[in-house]
Amino acid sequence: QKEVEQDPGPLSVPEGAIVSLNCTYSNSAFQYFMWYRQYSRKGPELLMYTYSSGNKEDGRFTAQVDKSSKYISLFIRDSQPSDSATYLCAMSALRAAGNKLTFGGGTRVLVKP
Amino acid sequence: EAQVTQNPRYLITVTGKKLTVTCSQNMNHEYMSWYRQDPGLGLRQIYYSMNVEVTDKGDVPEGYKVSRKEKRNFPLILESPSPNQTSLYFCASGRPNTDTQYFGPGTRLTVL
Repeated sequence: QKEVEQDPGPLSVPEGAIVSLNCTYSNSAFQYFMWYRQYSRKGPELLMYTYSSGNKEDGRFTAQVDKSSKYISLFIRDSQPSDSATYLCAMSALRAAGNKLTFGGGTRVLVKP
Repeated sequence: EAQVTQNPRYLITVTGKKLTVTCSQNMNHEYMSWYRQDPGLGLRQIYYSMNVEVTDKGDVPEGYKVSRKEKRNFPLILESPSPNQTSLYFCASGRPNTDTQYFGPGTRLTVL
């Protein structure tokens, strides 16, 4: 069993809809939770970063962490075609740079105009 | 422009022919890392380096070598590539114990 599970999709939604993404994990030592966005033929870029449990909002993006359930989510409101990408969750027991990151397999999202 | 660059971006080679993928960053980052990305498996760390002359194995180091002789460069060496090393490779850098790793554009390697 993988340490981090993520549905590969594709997840297809109409423009303006809410995109809901999630990951489950098994390692209770994870404390730092990240969402990366990866466009085709590009490297991943950090989208959201959360420490421990709780919610974090940044514009149209909301990240949620439920450590008791070992479940994290990313919501994209008012989705745009430019949101079409692969979204990777990642997590770590320590802060990201310089420490081991464990990634999910990624969910491909397609927002249709 | 702050960036991580990788070369080549695409490479097709044959089994056993040594190759090097270069990685360079212009952000004066101490930490650099190599990942491979395979369908359904996400990114898996190959090697990482906390500073010049300091390197360590990640999750999947077999068949790879690295060196860190200069702060800005972190080349990935495949001494004798095999078909199971066909993958998409990413280099990343960052400041230790910060939130962000900055990824390069990727190198798509095919080993025949």
